[in-house]
Amino acid sequence: KNEVEQSPQNLTAQEGEFITINCSYSVGISALHWLQQHPGGGIVSLFMLSSGKKKHGRLIATINIQEKHSSLHITASHPRDSAVYICASPGDNDMRFGAGTRLTVKP
Amino acid sequence: NAGVTQTPKFRILKIGQSMTLQCTQDMNHNYMYWYRQDPGMGLKLIYYSVGAGITDKGEVPNGYNVSRSTTEDFPLRLELAAPSQTSVYFCASSYSRGPYEQYFGPGTRLTVT
Repeated sequence: KNEVEQSPQNLTAQEGEFITINCSYSVGISALHWLQQHPGGGIVSLFMLSSGKKKHGRLIATINIQEKHSSLHITASHPRDSAVYICASPGDNDMRFGAGTRLTVKP
Repeated sequence: NAGVTQTPKFRILKIGQSMTLQCTQDMNHNYMYWYRQDPGMGLKLIYYSVGAGITDKGEVPNGYNVSRSTTEDFPLRLELAAPSQTSVYFCASSYSRGPYEQYFGPGTRLTVT
């Protein structure tokens, strides 16, 4: 069993749709990262959260520490949101990553 | 600030050749990491460093070596390249351990044939 599992693996949506990506983790201390990997390969950090909810523009991330589960939501999705979204659970000195969710938003 | 820079961006190696992937950060971060990303798989930690002169193995260290002589630089050495090392390599840095944001370099796409 992977230590960090994401679902779905692939997701295709129409522009404007509400998107949800889920992450469950079995390791790590009480925080979770959401990362975005652009089609060109670069990786940027979107959120780091240890409780509740964070919002950044059209992106919302929630976490339930007790259940070791987090969700990333995208409201009013746009083709430029097309990317791979990765959740990661930090340990003491390292980070364990999910395999990623490939999101394609069609115009 | 340039953040985390990596060179080269692309490289093709023949089996048995060696090379060094360069990584530099200008954020004065103590923690630096090397990851590899295989298609359809999550990033895997190869080596990490908690400061100049201190390095430690990650999840997949075999076939690689690292050094950390300065805070800024964290090169990754591949000795006797093998096809299994074909991957995209990312260097990252963070202020400290645990729940701190990691900043990633642009990646190096390596093919071993």
